[in-house]
Amino acid sequence: SAVISQKPSRDICQRGTSLTIQCQVDSQVTMMFWYRQQPGQSLTLIATANQGSEATYESGFVIDKFPISRPNLTFSTLTVSNMSPEDSSIYLCSGGRDYEQYFGPGTRLTVT
Amino acid sequence: QKEVEQNSGPLSVPEGAIASLNCTYSDRGSQSFFWYRQYSGKSPELIMSIYSNGDKEDGRFTAQLNKASQYVSLLIRDSQPSDSATYLCAVVAGGGNKLTFGTGTQLKVEL
Repeated sequence: SAVISQKPSRDICQRGTSLTIQCQVDSQVTMMFWYRQQPGQSLTLIATANQGSEATYESGFVIDKFPISRPNLTFSTLTVSNMSPEDSSIYLCSGGRDYEQYFGPGTRLTVT
Repeated sequence: QKEVEQNSGPLSVPEGAIASLNCTYSDRGSQSFFWYRQYSGKSPELIMSIYSNGDKEDGRFTAQLNKASQYVSLLIRDSQPSDSATYLCAVVAGGGNKLTFGTGTQLKVEL
């Protein structure tokens, strides 16, 4: 298994600003992903964080809005740029070896 | 057709009963299947993985996979109030490396 930490755990931001969320894994993992979860809904994959290269984004998500970095096998960041109230959500990172993914505690973002 | 489908529930079972949660998937080439438990306000927690047809048991949990019928299920024996949560089915499609989640089934275990 893997233990994953995220920070911040929550934040309230003004529209038009940006927030960077950090994700740290306690061991080297092959895959890391970023998800968004709206209240009462399932998880939506934003992108696959690739070590040392550009992230792979899912349909509906673009790099200019959600830039992602992964400089090594244990750390990744997601930036939510030029935020609007529609970006209010819980953002989750996951990591793991093979296909078993373990989730961080999430970042609850509110955009006012 | 959704890639991974679950009944949203809520599924209510009395304490001590067997809870049966079901999931169907559309990609016949899928090879890896997972069940996550998510308590309200918390992140998903991996509780079971299954890769081969048949049953896999871990404590009170049993995962069942039938690739021919494209369904995977989770049985929870001796259900406890602490099992009350949303259970998410996740599948890795054939040739892929990412999880596709169902919408989740809310389970309520009543005293």
